[in-house]
Amino acid sequence: DVKVTQSSRYLVKRTGEKVFLECVQDMDHENMFWYRQDPGLGLRLIYFSYDVKMKEKGDIPEGYSVSREKKERFSLILESASTNQTSMYLCASSLFLNEAFFGQGTRLTVV
Amino acid sequence: RKEVEQDPGPFNVPEGVTVAFNCTYSNSASQSFFWYRQDCRKEPKLLMSVYSSGNEDGRFTAQLNRASQYISLLIRDSKLSDSATYLCVVNTNAGKSTFGDGTTLTVKP
Repeated sequence: DVKVTQSSRYLVKRTGEKVFLECVQDMDHENMFWYRQDPGLGLRLIYFSYDVKMKEKGDIPEGYSVSREKKERFSLILESASTNQTSMYLCASSLFLNEAFFGQGTRLTVV
Repeated sequence: RKEVEQDPGPFNVPEGVTVAFNCTYSNSASQSFFWYRQDCRKEPKLLMSVYSSGNEDGRFTAQLNRASQYISLLIRDSKLSDSATYLCVVNTNAGKSTFGDGTTLTVKP
């Protein structure tokens, strides 16, 4: 079975902190994605990556950056966390044009 | 306009009825399509893939209409356990994977 693992289920950070969300997949998938999910707004794509060191902006990249130094790992970085980044963050991976498999999600609260 | 638009719902139905969800997409270069199911406080999971020729899995049927750029999901004989949020997904050949906002279905006894 495909396994996508996010480093934390719950995270509380202070405004202005630098926050790292880590995601690891074990199926050699080329594509990896970061989404955030908020009530009434669905899943919104922040960034995606189709190869090591490659990244593409999604629909809401502002305030975020990403890093993909190894194929299995995709990190989401909040350079200076703000309260409006309180959300559920979901990582996913897939083979090109195939279905995506999700991690269990990280519920981030910025206080 | 959103890239993927989905019936807003919510749908509240009694057991045993047939429910249909629709989803439209704007990028004609879209290459693959899926329906996902998401239970409360869980991550989305694949329900089924969607093909032009149609795809049926038990009580579930998914259909793609490329000319009109929409996909559909039909659930027959709905059951209590079908209560969830259903999300359509559209993938482009650039590797981008875009979700609809989801439609919440509640099936009541």
